[in-house]
Amino acid sequence: AQTVTQSQPEMSVQEAETVTLSCTYDTSESNYYLFWYKQPPSRQMILVIRQEAYKQQNATENRFSVNFQKAAKSFSLKISDSQLGDTAMYFCAFGGPSNTGKLIFGQGTTLQVKP
Amino acid sequence: EAGVTQFPSHSVIEKGQTVTLRCDPISGHDNLYWYRRVMGKEIKFLLHFVKESKQDESGMPNNRFLAERTGGTYSTLKVQPAELEDSGVYFCASSPGARSDTQYFGPGTRLTVL
Repeated sequence: AQTVTQSQPEMSVQEAETVTLSCTYDTSESNYYLFWYKQPPSRQMILVIRQEAYKQQNATENRFSVNFQKAAKSFSLKISDSQLGDTAMYFCAFGGPSNTGKLIFGQGTTLQVKP
Repeated sequence: EAGVTQFPSHSVIEKGQTVTLRCDPISGHDNLYWYRRVMGKEIKFLLHFVKESKQDESGMPNNRFLAERTGGTYSTLKVQPAELEDSGVYFCASSPGARSDTQYFGPGTRLTVL
């Protein structure tokens, strides 16, 4: 069975600095997808970034980028130039072909961006 | 384009009562998922609809939970009778089609069972 682990329950960063959230996963599959979702306080959960396992190039979306290490089964999220609006809970999620579309989530990391 | 909506946003009920949660997916999305997050723990999958059919209900905790998606549009999740451990946030998500598609989440329903 696949598992996803986020080992940092809480993190904080100063505005404009860079922060990295860690995520590791376990799977025997070779073709799968990884996602980072964010849920701001009292707001809807939205997709931050996604990575296809067959792609070697790390995904990037503006200030958000990932460091995908397939062999190590690691999928960290880097937020550059942190903004106050990045304050949220961040969830790492795994999706694979054998999972019928369901996502397996990590425990979440609460990120506080301080002014 | 309207996003995924859920109703109610909050529900507080007594143990033993019945509660029905509703999810309206993004129009045209065949895939609809229910997830649950119990306080402080990870978000866990409950079940997956493709149109009106249950594709995967392996995450449903027990037979007190009943999900339906009549006509392949909105879905309901009924808990009857509710127990204390059912408290949590229930999320609904939808996606257009393939398993690799991004899932779009609703705001969640916070259920509190007293």
